[in-house]
Amino acid sequence: DADVTQTPRNRITKTGKRIMLECSQTKGHDRMYWYRQDPGLGLRLIYYSFDVKDINKGEISDGYSVSRQAQAKFSLSLESAIPNQTALYFCATSAGDTSQETQYFGPGTRLLVL
Amino acid sequence: AQSVAQPEDQVNVAEGNPLTVKCTYSVSGNPYLFWYVQYPNRGLQFLLKYITGDNLVKGSYGFEAEFNKSQTSFHLKKPSALVSDSALYFCAVRDAGNTPLVFGKGTRLSVIA
Repeated sequence: DADVTQTPRNRITKTGKRIMLECSQTKGHDRMYWYRQDPGLGLRLIYYSFDVKDINKGEISDGYSVSRQAQAKFSLSLESAIPNQTALYFCATSAGDTSQETQYFGPGTRLLVL
Repeated sequence: AQSVAQPEDQVNVAEGNPLTVKCTYSVSGNPYLFWYVQYPNRGLQFLLKYITGDNLVKGSYGFEAEFNKSQTSFHLKKPSALVSDSALYFCAVRDAGNTPLVFGKGTRLSVIA
C-alpha cells in the first residue's frame, strides 16, 4: 500500500463550486504539505502544517484553505473554484524537526475547473 | 529567502552518454539540497540529498550530484544515460531554519536510443 495517498486522483468541476482534496499518510510523519504543479512553473507551496495544531500559508495560499484533521490527514479546499486553479496538486509529508528530512509525495490529484 | 534555478527547460542526451542536469541555488546560511524525479503520471520520487560532508553525493538509479559551494551549484549527473531515465527532474533547497523545500521549475530529460 502507498504511504501517501490522495483522493480523488482526478476531478472535473465547474467555476464557483467548492471542492475538497484529501491526503492521508501512514508514514507517521508530523509534517504535511500541499503543492500545485503547473507546466513551466514547477511546484509551488500552497499550505503546510508541522503538527495537528499548526497551519502555515505558503507562496500561493489565496483561494485555498486547509484542515489538519489528524496527524495522518491534511485536506485542501477550494472554496469557490476558478479556471486558473486547474493544475496538478500534490500532497507531501516529512518527519521530525530538522531541516534534513526528505519529503515524500503522494501520486497527485489532477483538477480541471471549467 | 531561498531560491533555486534550473537554467535548462529541456536536456537531450543519447543513450549511453553521460548526462548533467544543472541546478544553482541561493540561501542564507548552509544549504540542504535535494533532487527529485517525476515520471509521467506519477508523484515526485526522492533521488538524493546533500546535507553536509562529502561534496559528491550518490543516490538512487546510479545518479550522483556534486555540491559546489563557491559556485552555489548542485548539478545532477549520471555516467551513462538510459532511455528509462527520461523524466522531469526537480532540484530543491531549504535553509537550516524551519522552512519547507523550495523547488526549481524542473528540467525535462529526454534520453534518445
